[in-house]
Amino acid sequence: DVKVTQSSRYLVKRTGEKVFLECVQDMDHENMFWYRQDPGLGLRLIYFSYDVKMKEKGDIPEGYSVSREKKERFSLILESASTNQTSMYLCASSLIMRLSIIGYTFGSGTRLTVV
Amino acid sequence: QQQVKQSPQSLIVQKGGISIINCAYENTAFDYFPWYQQFPGKGPALLIAIRPDVSEKKEGRFTISFNKSAKQFSLHIMDSQPGDSATYFCAAIQETSGSRLTFGEGTQLTVNP
Repeated sequence: DVKVTQSSRYLVKRTGEKVFLECVQDMDHENMFWYRQDPGLGLRLIYFSYDVKMKEKGDIPEGYSVSREKKERFSLILESASTNQTSMYLCASSLIMRLSIIGYTFGSGTRLTVV
Repeated sequence: QQQVKQSPQSLIVQKGGISIINCAYENTAFDYFPWYQQFPGKGPALLIAIRPDVSEKKEGRFTISFNKSAKQFSLHIMDSQPGDSATYFCAAIQETSGSRLTFGEGTQLTVNP
């Protein structure tokens, strides 16, 4: 089974701090994604990456950046954390192939609270 | 702009009943429609999926009904069980645009014993 591991389950950070959320997948997937999950809003795409050192903005990239230096690792960076970034953050990975064969695999999420 | 709209936001069903969750989409280029199930403390996991060339797909107690002309699709859970209590997300993707899923808002299902 593909495993997507997010380094922290819970994080509490102060306003203005620089925050790093780490995600590692172990199945050599090309695609990696960062979503945030908020009640009533579903999952919204922040950034994604199709390959090492490549990144694309999703639907809500403001206030975030990403880094993909190795194929298995995709980091989400909050440059200056704000309270409206308090949320559940989900990382996912997938192969570049027809999605019906293998879907996204999600990590268990990091619940970030910014105080 | 929410390209996939999901309802209801929450749903309470008695054990043995039928749970129905509805989704509507706007982009006619979408060509793959998966449903995800998420238990507390876990990430979403693929439950069942359908392509628009079929009107229904069934896997065990879970059925997707698809209405291409109305741009709507729904998840039916037959004989709902307390273990089905979870958050359900519909999603859609245009595979030729790359593997970017667009999700609905989610439905929190509670099945009472």
